[in-house]
Amino acid sequence: DGGITQSPKYLFRKEGQNVTLSCEQNLNHDAMYWYRQDPGQGLRLIYYSQIVNDFQKGDIAEGYSVSREKKESFPLTVTSAQKNPTAFYLCASSRTLLRPTEAFFGQGTRLTVV
Amino acid sequence: DAKTTQPNSMESNEEEPVHLPCNHSTISGTDYIHWYRQLPSQGPEYVIHGLTSNVNNRMASLAIAEDRKSSTLILHRATLRDAAVYYCILSNMDSNYQLIWGAGTKLIIKP
Repeated sequence: DGGITQSPKYLFRKEGQNVTLSCEQNLNHDAMYWYRQDPGQGLRLIYYSQIVNDFQKGDIAEGYSVSREKKESFPLTVTSAQKNPTAFYLCASSRTLLRPTEAFFGQGTRLTVV
Repeated sequence: DAKTTQPNSMESNEEEPVHLPCNHSTISGTDYIHWYRQLPSQGPEYVIHGLTSNVNNRMASLAIAEDRKSSTLILHRATLRDAAVYYCILSNMDSNYQLIWGAGTKLIIKP
């Protein structure tokens, strides 16, 4: 089935460690996104990418990094510089950024700093 | 960025229609209106989007006011599976159609 796969579903990290969240899509979509969601709140954009080897910062990019070496993959690294990394992280994709199309979301990764 | 205002929560009875309101008084002429919904601990799911005219799909209908300052998502016959947080979101070309998410409306369906 076509869709977005995020892994792992749950992730625990010690303070001071970097951690990478995986996101893969087989929808042949050009655009991919990473969002963060805190309890009771809406989603906030971390990074997005329109094409391979190109990505843009969203509203809350500090303490995060991404790469887009393949069209299908858009991993997110939560670095030790992120002061409050415990959150629900969501990856999404859409056909393009050039017009308003449907975004497809993964099931999310819940990151907890211990 | 234009913002949206939604009620924090709404209740509805199963098998009855549900009308979810959204105010966007500062909407511009090129802003699209999107609706997504999210079940607990899951990723959001696209529901519908439109610009000026009312839109229908298999999931719902979107009714847009003539002045576009408000819109209503209509679920024609609610089921327990429709219980979710519903987000009304604006996007436009100037910001690459990025979705700006508010806190949404928590829809509770009573059996």
